[in-house]
Amino acid sequence: NAGVTQTPKFQVLKTGQSMTLQCAQDMNHEYMSWYRQDPGMGLRLIHYSVGAGITDQGEVPNGYNVSRSTTEDFPLRLLSAAPSQTSVYFCASRTASNQPQHFGDGTRLSIL
Amino acid sequence: EDQVTQSPEALRLQEGESSSLNCSYTVSGLRGLFWYRQDPGKGPEFLFTLYSAGEEKEKERLKATLTKKESFLHITAPKPEDSATYLCAVPGPSSGSARQLTFGSGTQLTVLP
Repeated sequence: NAGVTQTPKFQVLKTGQSMTLQCAQDMNHEYMSWYRQDPGMGLRLIHYSVGAGITDQGEVPNGYNVSRSTTEDFPLRLLSAAPSQTSVYFCASRTASNQPQHFGDGTRLSIL
Repeated sequence: EDQVTQSPEALRLQEGESSSLNCSYTVSGLRGLFWYRQDPGKGPEFLFTLYSAGEEKEKERLKATLTKKESFLHITAPKPEDSATYLCAVPGPSSGSARQLTFGSGTQLTVLP
């Protein structure tokens, strides 16, 4: 059971570079979300999707883009990396809005 | 605005020393409360869902309870392998039926042998 798979596990970028964090789930979940986790801040929602072709902004969306062309994949794009985006990024999925989320193991991103 | 506050931020216990973690929330109309466990370098792992005041759920040495204002995660006779960060989360208001979760900052539990 793969569950939620995130790649890469680690990444170092320079300020101004762009990149895409990949997230894939094999549970046929409609709902997918991206969070960032910073010390003392807890998990904060960046963007989410309630199905293929449908995305919306969360609490901290600035500097990030998402798209959802398939049920399985939900990539997160950093447009122009900034040191403030240094964080651990988690992708999650769930079957419905009142069901628990299943998380990937995260991408640890450092922006120099 | 929905808020979720967890206390204490950190807790150190001796093996076998029972204790409780607290999660208090301010939401208009609770639509469930989730508890997660997070190990270092890993994503949060789902533990329990509680939907109504008075509800209790148990799993091994853990028991979660819910009142109208807060939830407790009771740990009975903990072992070193229970060391982790415990997170609670509540769904927000329905917005396009998304009900995204608001997470607390977590309690970092260390159980010493």
